[in-house]
Amino acid sequence: GQQLNQSPQSMFIQEGEDVSMNCTSSSIFNTWLWYKQDPGEGPVLLIALYKAGELTSNGRLTAQFGITRKDSFLNISASIPSDVGIYFCAGLMYAGGTSYGKLTFGQGTILTVHP
Amino acid sequence: DAGVTQSPTHLIKTRGQQVTLRCSPKSGHDTVSWYQQALGQGPQFIFQYYEEEERQRGNFPDRFSGHQFPNYSSELNVNALLLGDSALYLCASSGQDSRSEGYTFGSGTRLTVV
Repeated sequence: GQQLNQSPQSMFIQEGEDVSMNCTSSSIFNTWLWYKQDPGEGPVLLIALYKAGELTSNGRLTAQFGITRKDSFLNISASIPSDVGIYFCAGLMYAGGTSYGKLTFGQGTILTVHP
Repeated sequence: DAGVTQSPTHLIKTRGQQVTLRCSPKSGHDTVSWYQQALGQGPQFIFQYYEEEERQRGNFPDRFSGHQFPNYSSELNVNALLLGDSALYLCASSGQDSRSEGYTFGSGTRLTVV
């Protein structure tokens, strides 16, 4: 099935460093979402973006909805050990003329933070 | 307020068998979607149920079927299990205001086919 191109696949950083990851697609989306998944758990929503060009923050997290509607990035500032996990981007495209749709996910970025 | 609840948490089945997974959506949500997440991959959309009907479907064979009950809970059924069906199956619920809430996921059911 279709997946978004998410990079990097993995990152190993020191506590306190900033992190950046991004997602690209050949298709446009109505909404971009960023999720974090811990081992044995389902994805948890971090940030949702609804308009092209939108820049949204949630604490140390900042994400942007690309102008072309085909890409998004997520930044994490001043990383801490509990940021460890797998981060997924997801695009939501509404089914024609409706207000509902399916999520298409990237393959994930595995983040490791060394104390 | 309970979030999305899935059962069972783990399951081991033999090739050729059938399996039923269950999901209770978050309170106030009326739409349930199912996703399959293979190891090391992002979740893949299976289908979505609303008002007890399948509203959208991904690229999965007819062996995958579902049901939604009047209380909005849902089941995912997989027939004639293959080894490749081994995965984490995630249920996500959403409501009328999905714009502000996004989709809420359960912790998943880990299915192993042997």
